[in-house]
Amino acid sequence: KQEVTQIPAALSVPEGENLVLNCSFTDSAIYNLQWFRQDPGKGLTSLLLIQSSQREQTSGRLNASLDKSSGRSTLYIAASQPGDSATYLCAVRTNAGKSTFGDGTTLTVKP
Amino acid sequence: NAGVMQNPRHLVRRRGQEARLRCSPMKGHSHVYWYRQLPEEGLKFMVYLQKENIIDESGMPKERFSAEFPKEGPSILRIQQVVRGDSAAYFCASSRGTGTDQETQYFGPGTRLLVL
Repeated sequence: KQEVTQIPAALSVPEGENLVLNCSFTDSAIYNLQWFRQDPGKGLTSLLLIQSSQREQTSGRLNASLDKSSGRSTLYIAASQPGDSATYLCAVRTNAGKSTFGDGTTLTVKP
Repeated sequence: NAGVMQNPRHLVRRRGQEARLRCSPMKGHSHVYWYRQLPEEGLKFMVYLQKENIIDESGMPKERFSAEFPKEGPSILRIQQVVRGDSAAYFCASSRGTGTDQETQYFGPGTRLLVL
């Protein structure tokens, strides 16, 4: 059974800092891994998807890495802004199609 | 291109009633996923469907819950005889298919179900 853990559960940083969010998973036989952000009371917005054969993906100030062998992914946010404040979720998809979500890291970026 | 649409956005039911949640995937997407987010908890997978087929329902409660994705029309998540513990946000996601560049899941805004 796949288990996904995100650390830390909450993070508060001043504006402009670079930061790293962590996601670990127990079963390395994954199909892909996707990072999302969720704003309070809203749905999820897809940020990056990394295929199991890939090592990293980049979009703007975001960079996600994947190390299947160690069961880890990181989401790097450069030059954080108050608008980045949200809950960040990672989802690990198995070949069967099911995605398992972590509980998220709630990020607060202070002006 | 409209995103994933879910309706209603909010639904109030009394115990014992039925709840029907609808999800229209993005244009060109034939894969639909339903997730539930209980208060103060993370997202939990419920079911994965392709047109007219249930691919994986390992996250669906064994009783009272059913899902379909007919050839025409939206996907429906149906909860019969609702109980207070069914109160949650139900999210639908869709993807184009499988294979590189087609698997990104796009989420709808969710339906927030409140059972009185």
